[in-house]
Order: sequence, then structure tokens, then C-alpha cells
Amino acid sequence: DAGITQSPRHKVTETGTPVTLRCHQTENHRYMYWYRQDPGHGLRLIHYSYGVKDTDKGEVSDGYSVSRSKTEDFLLTLESATSSQTSVYFCAISENPDEAFFGQGTRLTVV
Amino acid sequence: GQQLNQSPQSMFIQEGEDVSMNCTSSSIFNTWLWYKQDPGEGPVLLIALYKAGELTSNGRLTAQFGITRKDSFLNISASIPSDVGIYFCAGTTSGTYKYIFGTGTRLKVLA
Repeated sequence: DAGITQSPRHKVTETGTPVTLRCHQTENHRYMYWYRQDPGHGLRLIHYSYGVKDTDKGEVSDGYSVSRSKTEDFLLTLESATSSQTSVYFCAISENPDEAFFGQGTRLTVV
Repeated sequence: GQQLNQSPQSMFIQEGEDVSMNCTSSSIFNTWLWYKQDPGEGPVLLIALYKAGELTSNGRLTAQFGITRKDSFLNISASIPSDVGIYFCAGTTSGTYKYIFGTGTRLKVLA
């Protein structure tokens, strides 16, 4: 398995609070991604990074921000959590655009 | 945004049967990837395809990159109970590092 660790694995938070999810990799891969997975929607890209401090938006980026200050860490922040952000969040990494490897996921519940 | 149409959405098959699923896009893709996801886990890469017409196998799995570059197919031969899960296609288009995912095919194998 690719060396990807997501933390926390599960979290329950209240509406309106900020939440940060962490993705840590030991593969030194250049590209890192955050996806959310919801029933009927598959995996949708939130944000991605193509290098330290280089990030770009995906298709569902509203309400989310990211930061990548080191190659190995990619943080996803929900600035003010809403119930619609209840989801399973996956981090992925790749060294080139041709293959992406996924972490175990973080299940986030916003109440 | 771009979407990948994956079919069928779900299927029940008998153990030992062959399975076929496909993925189509309105856009030309440069890369096609096939993933399998087990409950509570992240997607795991099964096969990656890089050229139109390419046929690649991984054990009992065979995938093809469509000639038009707008579709891809995955076949599973002689299915077994552990083939149960959700299969996702994904692709990248020229000049991007974003993976677009299909909505998945849920496979259930009856022993």
C-alpha cells in the first residue's frame, strides 16, 4: 500500500465550527488530492496540489480551503462546517498524472 | 463539470460468471484508470491504461482503452465472492492533473 495516512479517521463536529483534516504521505509524491464521496455521486475533487504551496480548485471547492507547506502534508479545512459537508473524505497522491493512490478515508459528520 | 457515465450501476451475478462494465465520457481522455473499493476502505487501483486501443490484464481482470478515447471497459472473468465491491473508472484529460471519476458499479456475487 502507498504510504498515505489520513487523520482523524472519524470526526463528529457541530455546524459552524472549523474543521481540519490531514493527509500525510511518505512517498514523496508531487501531486496530492482531496476528494469527497457521497452516495450517488462517486468521488468528486475538492482541491488538489501540484507542489508545495501550489494548489488549485476542483469541482466542489466552495466552503473548503487547503494548504501544503511541506511535500508530505496536505491539509483540508472546512472554514465553517455545514451539514451538507457530512461525507467521507479521501486523500490521494500521485507522482505523475497517470496513477493515483488513495488513503483510507475520513468519515466526517456535521451535526 | 465533466462527468463519466458508468454502467451498469449495480449488478448481481453468480459465482463463476464473467462480468462486464463500461465507462463513457463526452470528452477525450488521455488516461483511464479502474479502481475497486471495499466497504470502509479507500479505492484501490486495479488497472491503468495509457493508449487508445490498449488492452491490459491483471489476473482475472482485463480493461481496454476505447479507440475513440471516450470510453473504457472492464471485464472480470470467473467471478468469485471477493470480487464484491464498487468499481470506479477514472480518467484524466490532456493538460490536467485532475482525475474525474465515474459514479461506480456495485457488484454483488452470489455464491
